[in-house]
Amino acid sequence: GIQVEQSPPDLILQEGANSTLRCNFSDSVNNLQWFHQNPWGQLINLFYIPSGTKQNGRLSATTVATERYSLLYISSSQTTDSGVYFCAVPILSGAGSYQLTFGKGTKLSVIP
Amino acid sequence: EAGVVQSPRYKIIEKKQPVAFWCNPISGHNTLYWYLQNLGQGPELLIRYENEEAVDDSQLPKDRFSAERLKGVDSTLKIQPAELGDSAVYLCASSSQNTEAFFGQGTRLTVV
Repeated sequence: GIQVEQSPPDLILQEGANSTLRCNFSDSVNNLQWFHQNPWGQLINLFYIPSGTKQNGRLSATTVATERYSLLYISSSQTTDSGVYFCAVPILSGAGSYQLTFGKGTKLSVIP
Repeated sequence: EAGVVQSPRYKIIEKKQPVAFWCNPISGHNTLYWYLQNLGQGPELLIRYENEEAVDDSQLPKDRFSAERLKGVDSTLKIQPAELGDSAVYLCASSSQNTEAFFGQGTRLTVV
């Protein structure tokens, strides 16, 4: 089945630095989501991006579905950006329905 | 618009006791998901509903876990009896027609 791999697993940034998080998936997908899980455990929707590029403030994401990867860019990082970033893609399960499947996440720590 | 609402936020129970979690999805969302998240891991799907119908419960441990979604709106997830290994965060999410999924704040279960 589809595998969802995220890199790097851990990332430490100085406040103000930029970063790129990567999500690779092993099969074609028709949508992809990026989430930020804050220290209190809440999963916050960042992007719903099957293909192309989207931007929201200091964050942007690009999905190249034909090459099976997506990138999340964080510019001018702030301490509030700390947390775990997940990508998730739907896969067709053995039951014949789509399961939204998560990678293991990238844990980001932004230090002042 | 209200998001996905889960209760309780936290639950501590002794092993072998029953426990139940409740989820109210976003109004109008026909798809409802229950996920399990262990520490340091990404969420893993337990069960997915389309309206009242469970369309994928292949990863739900049916010997002790059960779920229902009466009237295709609210849902409950039950564990009976709970085991130490069930300690985790239980997340509920909803979406409209398998598009962008939104998550609740989760229920953190501790079994002692």
